[in-house]
Amino acid sequence: NAGVTQTPKFQVLKTGQSMTLQCAQDMNHNSMYWYRQDPGMGLRLIYYSASEGTTDKGEVPNGYNVSRLNKREFSLRLESAAPSQTSVYFCASNPGQGARNSPLHFGNGTRLTVT
Amino acid sequence: GDSVTQMEGPVTLSEEAFLTINCTYTATGYPSLFWYVQYPGEGLQLLLKATKADDKGSNKGFEATYRKETTSFHLEKGSVQVSDSAVYFCALSELSGGSNYKLTFGKGTLLTVNP
Repeated sequence: NAGVTQTPKFQVLKTGQSMTLQCAQDMNHNSMYWYRQDPGMGLRLIYYSASEGTTDKGEVPNGYNVSRLNKREFSLRLESAAPSQTSVYFCASNPGQGARNSPLHFGNGTRLTVT
Repeated sequence: GDSVTQMEGPVTLSEEAFLTINCTYTATGYPSLFWYVQYPGEGLQLLLKATKADDKGSNKGFEATYRKETTSFHLEKGSVQVSDSAVYFCALSELSGGSNYKLTFGKGTLLTVNP
């Protein structure tokens, strides 16, 4: 039972570099999410994909882009990394539409440091 | 908009002590309420949930009751263990545009239990 798998686990970037965080789920879930977690800020939603083929901005989308490659995969791209993007990034999924009571399933996170 | 406010940590307790972590919410409708737990180095996982007023969610000795009159969902455990040391997040799920449900998190409370 892999659940939600994120790669890489750790990454260090220099300011201005780009990278893509990968996420895949094997639970046949419709909806997928990207959050960032910062000390004292809780979790903030960056982007989400309610279903395959759709993506929408969350609370803090600036500086990021996403791609819902297929039903399983949802990637997050930083085109030009900034120190303010130093954070722990979590991907999550749930069954989706109409799933009011369905919890999110989280990956183990990617710890990103931008110097 | 929706919001979740939970008591700030850190909370430090001795083993077998009683735990309460307060959580209050604001929402326009009738949300579902959740407690998530994050162990060191891991993603969040669902601890318990309640979907309507007066429901009690429970799991692993933890309990929380959905109190609509006080808009609260306080987490309690009668006797904590060292293995309960983690960050606890209160969250609500409510309809947000069409049939998509949005999850709003509190900022998290760090619990440390000493032997």
